[in-house]
Amino acid sequence: RKEVEQDPGPFNVPEGATVAFNCTYSNSASQSFFWYRQDCRKEPKLLMSVYSSGNEDGRFTAQLNRASQYISLLIRDSKLSDSATYLCVVNRRSNTGKLIFGQGTTLQVKP
Amino acid sequence: EPEVTQTPSHQVTQMGQEVILRCVPISNHLYFYWYRQILGQKVEFLVSFYNNEISEKSEIFDDQFSVERPDGSNFTLKIRSTKLEDSAMYFCASRGPLAGGYNEQFFGPGTRLTVL
Repeated sequence: RKEVEQDPGPFNVPEGATVAFNCTYSNSASQSFFWYRQDCRKEPKLLMSVYSSGNEDGRFTAQLNRASQYISLLIRDSKLSDSATYLCVVNRRSNTGKLIFGQGTTLQVKP
Repeated sequence: EPEVTQTPSHQVTQMGQEVILRCVPISNHLYFYWYRQILGQKVEFLVSFYNNEISEKSEIFDDQFSVERPDGSNFTLKIRSTKLEDSAMYFCASRGPLAGGYNEQFFGPGTRLTVL
Protein backbone atom coordinates (compact mmCIF):
# COMPACT_ATOMS: atom_id res chain seq x y z
CA ARG A 1 0.00 0.00 0.00
CA LYS A 2 1.29 3.47 -0.89
CA GLU A 3 2.13 5.62 2.11
CA VAL A 4 0.33 8.64 0.64
CA GLU A 5 -2.49 8.10 -1.84
CA GLN A 6 -4.20 10.59 -4.07
CA ASP A 7 -6.58 10.40 -6.98
CA PRO A 8 -4.35 11.41 -9.91
CA GLY A 9 -7.24 13.01 -11.82
CA PRO A 10 -7.16 14.99 -14.01
CA PHE A 11 -9.85 17.23 -12.64
CA ASN A 12 -11.15 19.49 -15.41
CA VAL A 13 -13.24 22.34 -14.05
CA PRO A 14 -14.52 25.68 -15.37
CA GLU A 15 -13.27 28.96 -13.97
CA GLY A 16 -15.12 29.89 -10.81
CA ALA A 17 -15.84 26.30 -9.81
CA THR A 18 -15.15 24.82 -6.41
CA VAL A 19 -13.01 21.69 -6.45
CA ALA A 20 -11.93 19.35 -3.67
CA PHE A 21 -8.98 16.98 -3.51
CA ASN A 22 -8.58 14.16 -1.05
CA CYS A 23 -5.59 12.27 0.23
CA THR A 24 -5.10 9.37 2.60
CA TYR A 25 -1.97 8.36 4.45
CA SER A 26 -1.18 4.96 5.85
CA ASN A 27 1.35 5.65 8.59
CA SER A 28 -0.30 6.75 11.82
CA ALA A 29 3.09 8.09 12.99
CA SER A 30 2.81 10.87 10.43
CA GLN A 31 3.23 14.14 12.22
CA SER A 32 2.99 17.04 9.79
CA PHE A 33 0.91 17.49 6.69
CA PHE A 34 1.19 19.79 3.73
CA TRP A 35 -0.21 20.60 0.34
CA TYR A 36 2.41 21.50 -2.25
CA ARG A 37 1.77 22.76 -5.74
CA GLN A 38 3.89 21.64 -8.69
CA ASP A 39 3.73 23.24 -12.11
CA CYS A 40 4.86 21.21 -15.11
CA ARG A 41 8.58 20.35 -14.85
CA LYS A 42 9.06 22.76 -11.95
CA GLU A 43 9.91 22.33 -8.30
CA PRO A 44 7.26 21.68 -5.63
CA LYS A 45 6.20 24.83 -3.79
CA LEU A 46 4.44 24.86 -0.44
CA LEU A 47 0.81 25.87 -0.79
CA MET A 48 -0.16 25.42 2.84
CA SER A 49 0.47 23.40 5.95
CA VAL A 50 -2.50 21.42 7.26
CA TYR A 51 -3.46 21.60 10.91
CA SER A 52 -5.84 19.45 12.93
CA SER A 53 -8.21 22.35 13.44
CA GLY A 54 -8.35 23.00 9.70
CA ASN A 55 -7.00 26.14 8.14
CA GLU A 56 -7.84 28.57 5.40
CA ASP A 57 -5.73 30.78 3.20
CA GLY A 58 -7.80 32.91 0.87
CA ARG A 59 -9.60 30.61 -1.55
CA PHE A 60 -7.86 27.52 -0.18
CA THR A 61 -9.07 25.46 2.78
CA ALA A 62 -7.26 22.43 4.16
CA GLN A 63 -8.65 19.86 6.58
CA LEU A 64 -7.04 17.01 8.47
CA ASN A 65 -8.79 14.04 10.02
CA ARG A 66 -6.24 12.10 12.04
CA ALA A 67 -8.70 9.37 13.02
CA SER A 68 -9.41 8.56 9.38
CA GLN A 69 -5.89 9.48 8.23
CA TYR A 70 -7.40 11.74 5.64
CA ILE A 71 -6.42 15.17 4.32
CA SER A 72 -8.39 17.42 2.02
CA LEU A 73 -7.89 20.58 0.02
CA LEU A 74 -10.75 22.76 -1.18
CA ILE A 75 -10.25 25.44 -3.81
CA ARG A 76 -13.04 27.96 -4.22
CA ASP A 77 -13.59 30.24 -7.20
CA SER A 78 -10.99 28.46 -9.34
CA LYS A 79 -8.72 30.60 -11.49
CA LEU A 80 -6.92 29.61 -14.68
CA SER A 81 -3.67 30.08 -12.75
CA ASP A 82 -4.70 27.31 -10.32
CA SER A 83 -4.02 24.76 -13.06
CA ALA A 84 -1.21 22.60 -11.67
CA THR A 85 -0.55 19.33 -9.86
CA TYR A 86 -1.37 19.36 -6.15
CA LEU A 87 0.83 17.17 -4.00
CA CYS A 88 -0.25 15.76 -0.67
CA VAL A 89 2.82 15.52 1.54
CA VAL A 90 3.41 14.09 5.01
CA ASN A 91 6.30 14.12 7.41
CA ARG A 92 6.74 11.24 9.82
CA ARG A 93 7.59 11.71 13.44
CA SER A 94 11.27 12.33 12.83
CA ASN A 95 13.79 15.05 13.39
CA THR A 96 15.11 14.78 9.86
CA GLY A 97 12.10 16.41 8.24
CA LYS A 98 11.94 13.83 5.48
CA LEU A 99 8.89 14.50 3.30
CA ILE A 100 6.81 11.73 1.77
CA PHE A 101 4.93 12.77 -1.34
CA GLY A 102 1.76 11.49 -2.92
CA GLN A 103 1.54 11.00 -6.65
CA GLY A 104 -0.29 14.30 -7.05
CA THR A 105 -3.69 15.34 -8.38
CA THR A 106 -3.76 17.27 -11.63
CA LEU A 107 -6.14 20.21 -11.92
CA GLN A 108 -6.96 21.90 -15.20
CA VAL A 109 -9.11 25.01 -14.96
CA LYS A 110 -10.74 25.93 -18.26
CA PRO A 111 -12.10 29.34 -19.32
CA GLU B 1 13.69 36.66 -1.41
CA PRO B 2 16.31 34.01 -0.63
CA GLU B 3 16.13 30.90 -2.79
CA VAL B 4 17.78 27.56 -3.33
CA THR B 5 19.77 27.40 -6.54
CA GLN B 6 20.92 24.34 -8.48
CA THR B 7 23.40 23.78 -11.28
CA PRO B 8 23.37 22.62 -13.96
CA SER B 9 19.73 22.84 -15.00
CA HIS B 10 20.22 19.89 -17.36
CA GLN B 11 22.98 17.29 -17.36
CA VAL B 12 23.40 14.65 -20.05
CA THR B 13 25.82 11.83 -19.36
CA GLN B 14 26.78 8.39 -20.60
CA MET B 15 25.93 5.32 -18.54
CA GLY B 16 28.76 4.50 -16.15
CA GLN B 17 30.00 8.07 -15.88
CA GLU B 18 30.17 10.04 -12.64
CA VAL B 19 28.04 13.13 -12.20
CA ILE B 20 27.99 15.81 -9.55
CA LEU B 21 24.87 17.86 -9.03
CA ARG B 22 25.33 21.13 -7.20
CA CYS B 23 23.05 23.07 -4.91
CA VAL B 24 23.39 26.28 -2.94
CA PRO B 25 20.89 26.17 -0.08
CA ILE B 26 19.46 29.24 1.63
CA SER B 27 22.24 30.74 3.71
CA ASN B 28 20.98 30.36 7.29
CA HIS B 29 19.42 26.94 6.74
CA LEU B 30 20.80 23.93 8.57
CA TYR B 31 18.93 20.95 7.10
CA PHE B 32 19.56 19.87 3.53
CA TYR B 33 17.86 17.32 1.33
CA TRP B 34 17.96 15.65 -2.04
CA TYR B 35 14.82 14.32 -3.69
CA ARG B 36 14.31 12.91 -7.14
CA GLN B 37 11.35 12.66 -9.49
CA ILE B 38 11.36 10.23 -12.38
CA LEU B 39 9.23 11.56 -15.24
CA GLY B 40 5.56 10.93 -14.55
CA GLN B 41 6.18 9.62 -11.04
CA LYS B 42 6.06 11.03 -7.54
CA VAL B 43 8.78 12.98 -5.76
CA GLU B 44 10.95 10.58 -3.75
CA PHE B 45 13.20 11.31 -0.79
CA LEU B 46 16.86 10.38 -1.24
CA VAL B 47 18.81 11.76 1.69
CA SER B 48 18.84 14.32 4.48
CA PHE B 49 21.97 16.03 5.80
CA TYR B 50 22.51 17.91 9.03
CA ASN B 51 25.56 18.96 11.00
CA ASN B 52 27.88 17.68 8.28
CA GLU B 53 26.54 14.18 8.22
CA ILE B 54 23.76 12.12 6.70
CA SER B 55 20.82 11.99 9.09
CA GLU B 56 18.58 9.72 7.02
CA LYS B 57 18.72 8.03 3.63
CA SER B 58 16.31 6.00 1.56
CA GLU B 59 16.76 2.61 -0.07
CA ILE B 60 17.40 4.40 -3.35
CA PHE B 61 20.49 6.07 -1.86
CA ASP B 62 22.87 3.15 -2.28
CA ASP B 63 26.68 3.05 -2.41
CA GLN B 64 26.65 4.76 -5.79
CA PHE B 65 25.39 7.96 -4.19
CA SER B 66 27.17 10.36 -1.88
CA VAL B 67 26.59 13.86 -0.56
CA GLU B 68 28.94 16.53 0.61
CA ARG B 69 28.94 20.07 1.88
CA PRO B 70 32.51 20.92 0.95
CA ASP B 71 32.70 24.62 1.72
CA GLY B 72 29.81 25.67 3.92
CA SER B 73 27.71 26.94 1.06
CA ASN B 74 27.49 24.25 -1.64
CA PHE B 75 25.69 20.96 -1.12
CA THR B 76 26.48 18.32 -3.72
CA LEU B 77 25.06 14.97 -4.78
CA LYS B 78 27.47 12.62 -6.54
CA ILE B 79 26.44 9.57 -8.50
CA ARG B 80 29.55 7.48 -9.06
CA SER B 81 28.52 5.27 -11.95
CA THR B 82 25.26 6.37 -13.50
CA LYS B 83 22.64 3.93 -14.70
CA LEU B 84 19.82 4.49 -17.19
CA GLU B 85 17.33 4.38 -14.31
CA ASP B 86 19.06 7.34 -12.64
CA SER B 87 17.49 9.58 -15.29
CA ALA B 88 15.23 11.92 -13.33
CA MET B 89 14.78 15.43 -12.02
CA TYR B 90 16.85 15.91 -8.88
CA PHE B 91 15.65 18.51 -6.42
CA CYS B 92 17.69 19.98 -3.60
CA ALA B 93 15.82 21.42 -0.62
CA SER B 94 16.78 23.21 2.56
CA ARG B 95 15.02 23.95 5.81
CA GLY B 96 15.45 26.62 8.47
CA PRO B 97 17.25 26.44 11.77
CA LEU B 98 14.32 25.37 13.94
CA ALA B 99 13.81 21.65 14.60
CA GLY B 100 10.46 20.01 14.02
CA GLY B 101 8.37 19.06 11.05
CA TYR B 102 6.44 22.25 10.46
CA ASN B 103 9.26 24.25 8.94
CA GLU B 104 8.90 24.71 5.24
CA GLN B 105 11.38 23.00 2.97
CA PHE B 106 12.36 25.28 0.12
CA PHE B 107 13.07 23.48 -3.11
CA GLY B 108 15.52 24.43 -5.80
CA PRO B 109 14.47 24.45 -9.48
CA GLY B 110 16.00 21.02 -10.05
CA THR B 111 18.61 19.42 -12.29
CA ARG B 112 17.30 17.22 -15.05
CA LEU B 113 19.69 14.28 -15.39
CA THR B 114 19.57 12.27 -18.58
CA VAL B 115 21.63 9.08 -18.72
CA LEU B 116 22.20 7.70 -22.21
